[in-house]
Amino acid sequence: DTGVSQDPRHKITKRGQNVTFRCDPISEHNRLYWYRQTLGQGPEFLTYFQNEAQLEKSRLLSDRFSAERPKGSFSTLEIQRTEQGDSAMYLCASSSSTGELFFGEGSRLTVL
Amino acid sequence: AQSVTQLGSHVSVSEGALVLLRCNYSSSVPPYLFWYVQYPNQGLQLLLKYTTGATLVKGINGFEAEFKKSETSFHLTKPSAHMSDAAEYFCAVSRGSSGGYQKVTFGTGTKLQVIP
Repeated sequence: DTGVSQDPRHKITKRGQNVTFRCDPISEHNRLYWYRQTLGQGPEFLTYFQNEAQLEKSRLLSDRFSAERPKGSFSTLEIQRTEQGDSAMYLCASSSSTGELFFGEGSRLTVL
Repeated sequence: AQSVTQLGSHVSVSEGALVLLRCNYSSSVPPYLFWYVQYPNQGLQLLLKYTTGATLVKGINGFEAEFKKSETSFHLTKPSAHMSDAAEYFCAVSRGSSGGYQKVTFGTGTKLQVIP
């Protein structure tokens, strides 16, 4: 399967713990996006990488959130000191120069 | 900045009836427009996209959409609904710029119910 893969698919954690999500994009795509989706809402943009450079971060991304894309391949999204409001589906997508996004199946976070 | 508005968070149609999901966009530059579908517990899948050229765009599963600049609309249609079309549909917009960075902004989604 050469699609976008995300890991883990589900994560349940206690408030205050740190969590990390990983995304492996389609190999020839140099652009990688993170979105967050809550129930009844569309995906909300979090951050964007072109190769290893993080070119834009949403104001939604507080200081507790950090994303990296070392060597321009896979990416990680870390949330420190999780809060109940962080509970959501975290979506990763990649694209080539044609612009359409190819999404993974998402990582669902539940903060208790 | 770009944005999209999807009219109707829930739409119900009978099997075999016309599907019409509405999307209006706002963009200060010529946009790229997309429709994505999300089935339960799955990721978003591209249905169709408009970049340049022909304003009537055909996508997968018999869906199509028409870009109307004068109405700033990109409504999604399908002549005859099938039970398997039941899903959530998202309209999205990005700044049209070939080869450049394109942040894609999504609408809030329309959940389509198909009644047997």
